[in-house]
Amino acid sequence: AQKITQTQPGMFVQEKEAVTLDCTYDTSDPSYGLFWYKQPSSGEMIFLIYQGSYDQQNATEGRYSLNFQKARKSANLVISASQLGDSAMYFCAMREGLINTGGFKTIFGAGTRLFVKA
Amino acid sequence: KAGVTQTPRYLIKTRGQQVTLSCSPISGHRSVSWYQQTPGQGLQFLFEYFSETQRNKGNFPGRFSGRQFSNSRSEMNVSTLELGDSALYLCASSLAFGVVGNNEQFFGPGTRLTVL
Repeated sequence: AQKITQTQPGMFVQEKEAVTLDCTYDTSDPSYGLFWYKQPSSGEMIFLIYQGSYDQQNATEGRYSLNFQKARKSANLVISASQLGDSAMYFCAMREGLINTGGFKTIFGAGTRLFVKA
Repeated sequence: KAGVTQTPRYLIKTRGQQVTLSCSPISGHRSVSWYQQTPGQGLQFLFEYFSETQRNKGNFPGRFSGRQFSNSRSEMNVSTLELGDSALYLCASSLAFGVVGNNEQFFGPGTRLTVL
């Protein structure tokens, strides 16, 4: 069964420091995609970064990088130089294709609430 | 380019009533997915639509239904509302369909439904 686990309900980080948000996943499908989303208090989900299961290099997008360790089935998000505006909920998600319908299914972790201190 | 829009943003209903939520995807996007978000259950997948056809459905009762129109706009309907249906309902659109790749879903602001 598919499963996404985020073990940190809440995290604190000092402004300008780096922080790592953990995510582990479980799937038997060799082809899948991993995503991170940010949800501020406004409620809108904002796409941050993507990592494909066949990608050889870790994904990076500005201050965001994804530490992908396929053998350990982990996809941790690293935020460098934290800013006050980074305070939000962060969700890890996994998507894989469905052969029978040709569609895809995305499941989300429980999320980690990040607090950036000034 | 306009983002995903959802209407209404807020809704208050009473038990037993029915509700219809609307989602307009980003122009050119043909795939629309719906999610329910609650503090207790987190984000849960409801449906996925492409070309006016439901391609995938989450584990929700038959009171939850949806459809997609030829212009890719989508609606979801919840009949016989229960207190537990109170949630933030998020709609997401994506460009492609059936592709496992960087097919990121762009989310709308959500509709917050309160059932009294």
